[in-house]
Amino acid sequence: EAGVTQFPSHSVIEKGQTVTLRCDPISGHDNLYWYRRVMGKEIKFLLHFVKESKQDESGMPNNRFLAERTGGTYSTLKVQPAELEDSGVYFCASSPSAYGYTFGSGTRLTVV
Amino acid sequence: AQSVSQHNHHVILSEAASLELGCNYSYGGTVNLFWYVQYPGQHLQLLLKYFSGDPLVKGIKGFEAEFIKSKFSFNLRKPSVQWSDTAEYFCAVNVLFKLTFGKGTLLTVNP
Repeated sequence: EAGVTQFPSHSVIEKGQTVTLRCDPISGHDNLYWYRRVMGKEIKFLLHFVKESKQDESGMPNNRFLAERTGGTYSTLKVQPAELEDSGVYFCASSPSAYGYTFGSGTRLTVV
Repeated sequence: AQSVSQHNHHVILSEAASLELGCNYSYGGTVNLFWYVQYPGQHLQLLLKYFSGDPLVKGIKGFEAEFIKSKFSFNLRKPSVQWSDTAEYFCAVNVLFKLTFGKGTLLTVNP
């Protein structure tokens, strides 16, 4: 079974630019999650999709972040405009239920 | 809101030494507990999990963890570490689909 795929694996952008991260979950997993780890800090929850609906977006830092999940399949996380403090590793995970998370390799975002 | 505390930021051991990584959580209800590992350049992988039943949980690669409810702890142990165990280890609690992680413990095992 293919795992959770994220791309790009690395992205370096300038402050003020826009970046879009993509996550392809495991086929059939209705639940999709985004997490973020800022350097030196813990991995923090951003949001949770069930199919195409946002179940919980309590962790989204501010309105510069926009997540979508098209047709309940892949998801994108757009940061517009990017700020220096957005640098970190963005993880995506999917699961068939409340448990059984599978994580992707992450996207390392650097804002300069 | 729940929180997870990992006691050690960086642990350095020699091969064959015993390992214990501390994890405490705060949450008043029923929790599901996890240890994840991230090897260099790889994705987060599940080491072991506790949902209910026997508080001593065995995971992959010889790791085990003990859930002590009265202490709100879920410490990770391994009797004899190997160089290949060098990685970052994360304790996490799952409440309502959401994982809350500790800050992680970087383990370096010297050959």
